[in-house]
Amino acid sequence: KQEVTQIPAALSVPEGENLVLNCSFTDSAIYNLQWFRQDPGKGLTSLLLIQSSQREQTSGRLNASLDKSSGRSTLYIAASQPGDSATYLCAAQGATDSWGKLQFGAGTQVVVTP
Amino acid sequence: DADVTQTPRNRITKTGKRIMLECSQTKGHDRMYWYRQDPGLGLQLIYYSFDVKDINKGEISDGYSVSRQAQAKFSLSLESAIPNQTALYFCATSESSNTGELFFGEGSRLTVL
Repeated sequence: KQEVTQIPAALSVPEGENLVLNCSFTDSAIYNLQWFRQDPGKGLTSLLLIQSSQREQTSGRLNASLDKSSGRSTLYIAASQPGDSATYLCAAQGATDSWGKLQFGAGTQVVVTP
Repeated sequence: DADVTQTPRNRITKTGKRIMLECSQTKGHDRMYWYRQDPGLGLQLIYYSFDVKDINKGEISDGYSVSRQAQAKFSLSLESAIPNQTALYFCATSESSNTGELFFGEGSRLTVL
């Protein structure tokens, strides 16, 4: 069974620092790896989706990398801002299931202090 | 208006009561999902549906049932609510593809006393 882990569970950084968020998964047979943002009391918003054939994906200040062989994905947020404060979740979409079930990590709660 | 709408957004109820959470979507997606989120545990899949006639149990379906009334509507029921079903519930949709991006509703916070 796919297991997805995000460490640390929480981190706090001063504004302007780069953020590095880690996601590890146990089964490399995946269709893709997705990163989501969740604000308090809100739903999940998709940030980036990296297909299994890709090494990275970029959107503005966000960059996500994928290394299937080591079972790792990293989300980089450049020049963090207080508005980046949220919980970030990763999810691996499994290729061993018949329908591409998503397995979520528990998330990393980020606080960016002014 | 949101593409995926959940009602109610918040609900407090008592043990033993029947509760229904509703989800409607305007994205035209065939696939719909119900997830539960507990602090520190990530999201767990309760039920999923690939079309109106295709409904499947997820990881934690015990104590829950669902109904797919139409392509755009997918409801989750707790027949007899218990306190450990207190959680944040999310509905999500995706295209008919094993690699599709998920789109989430805003969530329904349920408290069972």
